Amino acid sequence: GENVEQHPSTLSVQEGDSAVIKCTYSDSASNYFPWYKQELGKRPQLIIDIRSNVGEKKDQRIAVTLNKTAKHFSLHITETQPEDSAVYFCAASSGGSNYKLTFGKGTLLTVNP
Amino acid sequence: EAGVVQSPRYKIIEKKQPVAFWCNPISGHNTLYWYLQNLGQGPELLIRYENEEAVDDSQLPKDRFSAERLKGVDSTLKIQPAELGDSAVYLCASSSPGHRVNEQFFGPGTRLTVL
Repeated sequence: GENVEQHPSTLSVQEGDSAVIKCTYSDSASNYFPWYKQELGKRPQLIIDIRSNVGEKKDQRIAVTLNKTAKHFSLHITETQPEDSAVYFCAASSGGSNYKLTFGKGTLLTVNP
Repeated sequence: EAGVVQSPRYKIIEKKQPVAFWCNPISGHNTLYWYLQNLGQGPELLIRYENEEAVDDSQLPKDRFSAERLKGVDSTLKIQPAELGDSAVYLCASSSPGHRVNEQFFGPGTRLTVL
């Protein structure tokens, strides 16, 4: 089955700096890669996703890049703000289906004011 | 639109007791998922429903866990008997093929504590 590794497990940055979280996956058939943000005690919420036919996608201060050859994808947050502090999860679809997501273990991002 | 609703939000039980969680997906979403989230970990899929049919339950520990989705809308997840290791957050999610190509919307979860 699919295996998703996520690094780092914790990340602390100063407000205004950039943050980068990286994930690798094992199943070359995976074709959908969402990123979820989960604040403490709250539900995971999709913040951005990318499909395998695209190498990069951007939405305001967040962007995701995908390298299918190397089987890794990254989340980039620019101009970080304290409200960006949360746990971020990457995920990959496995089995050729967009339905079955395998999640990474998460990255706790802390943005210090 | 109303989001995915789950109840209860918190549940504390003693080991060997039964427990049930309820989920109401977003209206019109025919796909429903139950996930287990341990502390400090990402969600892990337990079971996926397409309407009332369980199409992927390979990760569901069937000796003690069961789920149903009668009428293809609400769903319940049951554990009987509960064990100490079942303490976790149980997340329900739903999706629709016609909405942003299978984006999964999560509920707030039920935090289970087994004593």
